[in-house]
Amino acid sequence: EVQLVESGGGFVQPGGSLRLSCAASGFTFSSYWMHWVRQAPGKGLVWVSHINSDGRSTNYADSVKGRFTISRDNAKNTLYLQMNTLRAEDTAVYYCARERPRILSKPLDCWGQGTLVTVSS
Amino acid sequence: EIVLTQSPATLSLSPGERATLSCRASQSVSSYVAWYQQKPGQAPRLLIYDASNRATGIPARFSGSGSGTDFTLTISSLEPEDFAVYYCQQRSNWPPYTFGQGTKLEIK
Repeated sequence: EVQLVESGGGFVQPGGSLRLSCAASGFTFSSYWMHWVRQAPGKGLVWVSHINSDGRSTNYADSVKGRFTISRDNAKNTLYLQMNTLRAEDTAVYYCARERPRILSKPLDCWGQGTLVTVSS
Repeated sequence: EIVLTQSPATLSLSPGERATLSCRASQSVSSYVAWYQQKPGQAPRLLIYDASNRATGIPARFSGSGSGTDFTLTISSLEPEDFAVYYCQQRSNWPPYTFGQGTKLEIK
């Protein structure tokens, strides 16, 4: 069974840091591009970042560029999101998601259950 | 950045009725559009990719159409489990990958 399980969310003060993890199983993790998508309470989906299969290419939303770093360890089948200088507006459920390859629209065909990050003083 | 605008924001229908959800892009995205369904407390689920192809396991009552700037998700006959929020997403001009703001399909 294809599965993504996020962890590492929690409560942090503004300016603080958190590292999210996403453990993958049931598929060849090293063959897939991976994404982080977030959803603020009661709001819609917002793309945050993605990383290619070997980890050498990354992209970020402008709102997190310079503060967040996406990475992966293919030997451990794990995706990461290092979040620094957190702001209240970063409060959201963070989902990791797998990108389906060889499809024009590169859809996100598998999602984790999400991990909640709350930034507040 | 390409902006996706979904309409209506909320759609109130009864089981058995036909639902038509719209997604309009601020510039052409060819057929690089996907649709997702999200129920409360759950992760999104992929429904449609490349504007008109159903993902694995998605019932035939779900269909997608469109190209360029105008896209439609149609649910031919609503089942009780179809009431949820629906999002369109594009990857034509990326980054960023952008999502629409969502359409809430609620029971009338």
